[in-house]
Amino acid sequence: SSELTQDPAVSVALGQTVRITCQGDSLRSYYASWYQQKPGQAPVLVIYAKNNRPSGIPDRFSGSSSGNTASLTITGAQAEDEADYYCNSRDSSGNHLYVFGTGTKVTVL
Amino acid sequence: QVQLQESGPGLVKPSETLSLTCAVSGYSISSGYYWGWIRQPPGKGLEWIGSIYRGGSTYYNPSLKSRVTISLDTSKNQFSLKLSSVTAADTAVYYCARTNYDSTGCPFFDSWGQGTLVTVSS
Repeated sequence: SSELTQDPAVSVALGQTVRITCQGDSLRSYYASWYQQKPGQAPVLVIYAKNNRPSGIPDRFSGSSSGNTASLTITGAQAEDEADYYCNSRDSSGNHLYVFGTGTKVTVL
Repeated sequence: QVQLQESGPGLVKPSETLSLTCAVSGYSISSGYYWGWIRQPPGKGLEWIGSIYRGGSTYYNPSLKSRVTISLDTSKNQFSLKLSSVTAADTAVYYCARTNYDSTGCPFFDSWGQGTLVTVSS
């Protein structure tokens, strides 16, 4: 099975830009999706198919991918963006097996 | 708009079987998509447990495969999770979710239940 590795924590000043990365071999073949999770709440999809936002997700969230690394960028971070963020992708075996990243805690200062 | 709701016992004894159900509204599960379970131990990250397709094909996390069964009940528009021989390590919030795929075959979970905490303790 595959693993997806994320930095445990990052911080960003209010209104500034932060990039969260996700590394794993499966990302050479499959795009990552990204989820925001606030305390006590279910995860919410914020980016899918490399750089697509579901309805209702602000356009300050964007995604990109290069080699074995996927990135989620928050441009002009707001206080409400403080949360845990998880990447997810398909297992590199090609089967319908999925793996989540280790998660990144984003703190907005 | 699809909605998912988990239900089941909040307390399970060690060595017994954890059973949860996810009721789906706003979409017929027999029409398509994969339907799955994800869990999150207290203070830890997300772990995919397994998924099922409308035809009944199942896919399980290799680390849990020997203990997991996911099934569909199309008459009630719901799907279920059974996890056998549970230990304290299975204590977690359990989420059900719908899996969608983009045009390149990359998955994403686009709808989630609110989650239900299951504690394994005697």
